[in-house]
Amino acid sequence: SQQGEEDPQALSIQEGENATMNCSYKTSINNLQWYRQNSGRGLVHLILIRSNEREKHSGRLRVTLDTSKKSSSLLITASRAADTASYFCAAAAGGFKTIFGAGTRLFVKA
Amino acid sequence: GAGVSQSPRYKVAKRGQDVALRCDPISGHVSLFWYQQALGQGPEFLTYFQNEAQLDKSGLPSDRFFAERPEGSVSTLKIQRTQQEDSAVYLCASGIRRGGYEQYFGPGTRLTVT
Repeated sequence: SQQGEEDPQALSIQEGENATMNCSYKTSINNLQWYRQNSGRGLVHLILIRSNEREKHSGRLRVTLDTSKKSSSLLITASRAADTASYFCAAAAGGFKTIFGAGTRLFVKA
Repeated sequence: GAGVSQSPRYKVAKRGQDVALRCDPISGHVSLFWYQQALGQGPEFLTYFQNEAQLDKSGLPSDRFFAERPEGSVSTLKIQRTQQEDSAVYLCASGIRRGGYEQYFGPGTRLTVT
């Protein structure tokens, strides 16, 4: 069973638009990570946000974390066709297990 | 430097056969994870090693699944008496830190059980 749940399941946008993906999880976490997966490059770590952080930026990525609502969002600004991929949140609950959600499939049209 | 490598990349097994999947993590990485990913789903945790110690195997779906990392580097995931429901991509990831932090994933082994 998955702990993280992404919303929406699929998203189609035009190049240049922003894309927002949401993730909810069920238990207390130590940190939450976002990963990207496409057929060409496999799963790639994008960004990690710790439980005591509320917002983090990395290039065109912005991640927020609301531990009171057990939710996180990933914003990709000025999207590019190369951003087309599946995006997963992954919750680390303080032990060794990392629980992935089912992913959001993003399609950026050129 | 070299990333995480996995072999074979593709494996077709007849139901009932045993298979062994290999993972070569990034040199010096303490943590090693195995995941199972079904089509259209996110990776599901199978097991975790810290160096040679298997500290969490709670995700292994049955006693047909066995993983080892005897010298704290290369790891092998073995599946005995494969069943059709074992068909999936098996992903290995390593991390420089202990526990669930930034993980570097290999390309995966796609297992098809016929």
